[in-house]
Amino acid sequence: KQEVTQIPAALSVPEGENLVLNCSFTDSAIYNLQWFRQDPGKGLTSLLLIQSSQREQTSGRLNASLDKSSGRSTLYIAASQPGDSATYLCAVMRGGSNYKLTFGKGTLLTVNP
Amino acid sequence: NAGVTQTPKFQVLKTGQSMTLQCAQDMNHEYMSWYRQDPGMGLRLIHYSVGAGITDQGEVPNGYNVSRSTTEDFPLRLLSAAPSQTSVYFCASGLAGPYNEQFFGPGTRLTVL
Repeated sequence: KQEVTQIPAALSVPEGENLVLNCSFTDSAIYNLQWFRQDPGKGLTSLLLIQSSQREQTSGRLNASLDKSSGRSTLYIAASQPGDSATYLCAVMRGGSNYKLTFGKGTLLTVNP
Repeated sequence: NAGVTQTPKFQVLKTGQSMTLQCAQDMNHEYMSWYRQDPGMGLRLIHYSVGAGITDQGEVPNGYNVSRSTTEDFPLRLLSAAPSQTSVYFCASGLAGPYNEQFFGPGTRLTVL
C-alpha cells in the first residue's frame, strides 16, 4: 500500500527565506507526483506536476524535484512571501485504472512579515 | 473557464437525511472523482469516473452513490447521512490517463448531526 509522508508537519519562516518542503513515498512505481497548495477553508490549487520520467519542474519561485528510485520529492520555494502561507500537499499517482492520488497530510507553512 | 465547481459550499444534515453534492467541470475532462478530507486522515478517494456512463468505487465508497450521465457533471449522493460522513468533500477532474494533472473544486463542507 502506497504511503506518503510529508516532513515537517509545520514550518514557520521569516519573509525572504528560501525553504524546502519534503515528501516521501513508499512505492516507487508511480506515474506522477503533484504538489498542491491549500488555503484555509479552500480547495486545492495545483502547483506543479512531475512525470515519473522527469527530475524536476519549475514555476516562478517554485521548483519541485523528484527522485523516484529513493521515493522522494522536494518543493523549493525561493524568497518566501507572507502570501505563500498555506498548507502544501504532495500526492502521487500509482498504476491502475482509477488514477487515484495518494496524498500526504501536508506541511503547514507560515511566512512571517 | 469556470474550472471545477461544487455546490453547495456548506450543508448541515440530520442523521438519516439524503442529499446530493453537485460537481461540474467545463474543461471537457473525461476523468472525474470525489475525495473526502478529514483531519489526520488526509484525502481519500470515494468514487471515480473515466467517462460518461462509467463509474467505479474508490477506497471509501460505503454510504455514497454516483452517476455520470454527461461529461460535465458528476454528482455524489448520500443515501442516509451518518455523523461519520461529516467531512469536507472535494471533486476533481482531469484528462484520462495517468500522466495528467488533476484539478480540484472549492469543496463542500458537510456536517451531519
